[in-house]
Amino acid sequence: GIQVEQSPPDLILQEGANSTLRCNFSDSVNNLQWFHQNPWGQLINLFYIPSGTKQNGRLSATTVATERYSLLYISSSQTTDSGVYFCAGQGGSEKLVFGKGTKLTVNP
Amino acid sequence: NAGVTQTPKFRVLKTGQSMTLLCAQDMNHEYMYWYRQDPGMGLRLIHYSVGEGTTAKGEVPDGYNVSRLKKQNFLLGLESAAPSQTSVYFCASSYRGGRGYEQYFGPGTRLTVT
Repeated sequence: GIQVEQSPPDLILQEGANSTLRCNFSDSVNNLQWFHQNPWGQLINLFYIPSGTKQNGRLSATTVATERYSLLYISSSQTTDSGVYFCAGQGGSEKLVFGKGTKLTVNP
Repeated sequence: NAGVTQTPKFRVLKTGQSMTLLCAQDMNHEYMYWYRQDPGMGLRLIHYSVGEGTTAKGEVPDGYNVSRLKKQNFLLGLESAAPSQTSVYFCASSYRGGRGYEQYFGPGTRLTVT
């Protein structure tokens, strides 16, 4: 089945900095999602982006399906952006496969 | 519109005890899923359902059973809990339509087996 790899595993930023998180997937996908898991454990949908580019405030995401990767951009980071960011992909089945996540810490 | 809800939020079991986790969604979604999340890892699929009355195994199904008697509910059962089942359990649901399979998650249930 599909495999999803995320990088970097950990990222520490100062408030106001920008960052790019990467997700590589091993096969073509018909669903690619980015989630933020906050320090309380809640999973929040950020983007549904099997291809193309989307933006939502300070966050944006780009998926290049032909090259099997997706990028999540965080601009002007805030302490509330801290948490774990997960990428998850779905190929030809109903199963969404998660990467191991990128743990982001934003210091004031 | 509550989205996806889970009960209970927390539970402590002793080895060998049984319990049922309830997931409910009010979005009229066809598909529902149960995942578990262990420390330092992403979520892994336990079981899923593509419609009322159907269930299928995911990546880590052993030790769990599920039922989907109503479209809006998906139950996860542990018949004889083991310490290895200590985890956070998430339920999710999705449409099957123009937006593909975007999944929406519940708040999670933290289960400890002693």
